[in-house]
Amino acid sequence: QKEVEQDPGPLSVPEGAIVSLNCTYSNSAFQYFMWYRQYSRKGPELLMYTYSSGNKEDGRFTAQVDKSSKYISLFIRDSQPSDSATYLCAMSAGESGGGADGLTFGKGTHLIIQP
Amino acid sequence: DAGVTQSPTHLIKTRGQQVTLRCSPKSGHDTVSWYQQALGQGPQFIFQYYEEEERQRGNFPDRFSGHQFPNYSSELNVNALLLGDSALYLCASSLGWAGEETQYFGPGTRLLVL
Repeated sequence: QKEVEQDPGPLSVPEGAIVSLNCTYSNSAFQYFMWYRQYSRKGPELLMYTYSSGNKEDGRFTAQVDKSSKYISLFIRDSQPSDSATYLCAMSAGESGGGADGLTFGKGTHLIIQP
Repeated sequence: DAGVTQSPTHLIKTRGQQVTLRCSPKSGHDTVSWYQQALGQGPQFIFQYYEEEERQRGNFPDRFSGHQFPNYSSELNVNALLLGDSALYLCASSLGWAGEETQYFGPGTRLLVL
């Protein structure tokens, strides 16, 4: 079992729809959770950063973390064709969680917003 | 304010050769991490440098080595290249290394091994 599971898609939705992207993980030490957006042949761009459980909203984006279920989500409201990209979830235990190491990523979900 | 920069953007090598990739961190950042991203996969952590020392290392062989300079820039070296080393190599910078800091990524270097 991989540490972080993410459906690779592709996920195709019409413009204006609400998009839901998800990851599950197995390491209970993870406490820092991130979502990155990656356009084709580019580096990942940080969208959302969340510590521990709860919700965080930034414009059209909402990140949710449920540590009891080991499940994180990213919601995109009023989706636009420019949102078409690969969305990567990433997480870290941090030094206080016993692992001051690099980020552990999911495989990424390829999202297509149809005009 | 310049973000993370990497050079070169593309590179073609043959099996058995050696390669050096370069990274300049975002202004004010002191920690550099390197990741390998194979096609269709998420990035995998190679190692992290802070204060010119390797702090953490992922599950990569010793053929992968690195260096950090006093100005915080970094190099990734890969020896005895294999076909499987073909990937996008990403550099990320952060302020600090405790694992809770936000990491900002560069555009990557695309390496093709023939």
